[in-house]
Amino acid sequence: DIQLTQSPSFRSASVGDRVTITCRASQDISNYLAWYQQKPGTAPKLLIYAASTLQSGVPSRFSGGGSGTEFTLTISSLQPEDFATYYCQQFKSYPRRLTFGGGTKVQIK
Amino acid sequence: EVQLVESGGVVVQPGGSLRISCAASGFKFGDYTMHWVRQAPGKTLEWISLISWDGDSTYYADSVKGRFIISRNNNRDSLYLQMNSLRTEDTALYYCTKDDRGGLRAWAFDIWGRGTMVTVSS
Repeated sequence: DIQLTQSPSFRSASVGDRVTITCRASQDISNYLAWYQQKPGTAPKLLIYAASTLQSGVPSRFSGGGSGTEFTLTISSLQPEDFATYYCQQFKSYPRRLTFGGGTKVQIK
Repeated sequence: EVQLVESGGVVVQPGGSLRISCAASGFKFGDYTMHWVRQAPGKTLEWISLISWDGDSTYYADSVKGRFIISRNNNRDSLYLQMNSLRTEDTALYYCTKDDRGGLRAWAFDIWGRGTMVTVSS
């Protein structure tokens, strides 16, 4: 199975901060990576797919990068509504074993 | 509006069975591969099963293989998960979700339901 390791697990930040989250894959997954945002009590929301393509309707302060085994999700200027948990997911092994990362909780400093 | 609505989650005893459902609306259900993803309390997301748009192909995570069965009824725009031999570790919120494009290839899950809670406890 392809393992995804996210870092950090927790990130304290203030409104206006630039925040970067990393997702590392246990093997080369090319650009078959998606990022999701989940707020408490709600379903995950797709932010980015194909490592760097912004989903329609997602604010441009979100950006994704990387390929191969190392990927990043960056929020250029953190807004109050961005405090949430973020997950990466790989699609290289589609249709089998579509693993998620362990999550990164972005909380208010 | 594109929507997925799960139902059927209850408290069930270990070793028991349960079928949960997902009703789709707002898109051509029969064109999309569908999935079940679960999330245990305070844990990360876990993909557990896929069914192709035509129902001919199914895949399962090792954690549920041989116990869970995914199915769909395209005439009723509905997805199902039959859960047998339930264990306490199956306790989770179960989400229904869809591929972001038709066929049997995807880059992401673009629409998610709100989930249905399954609790396995004696």
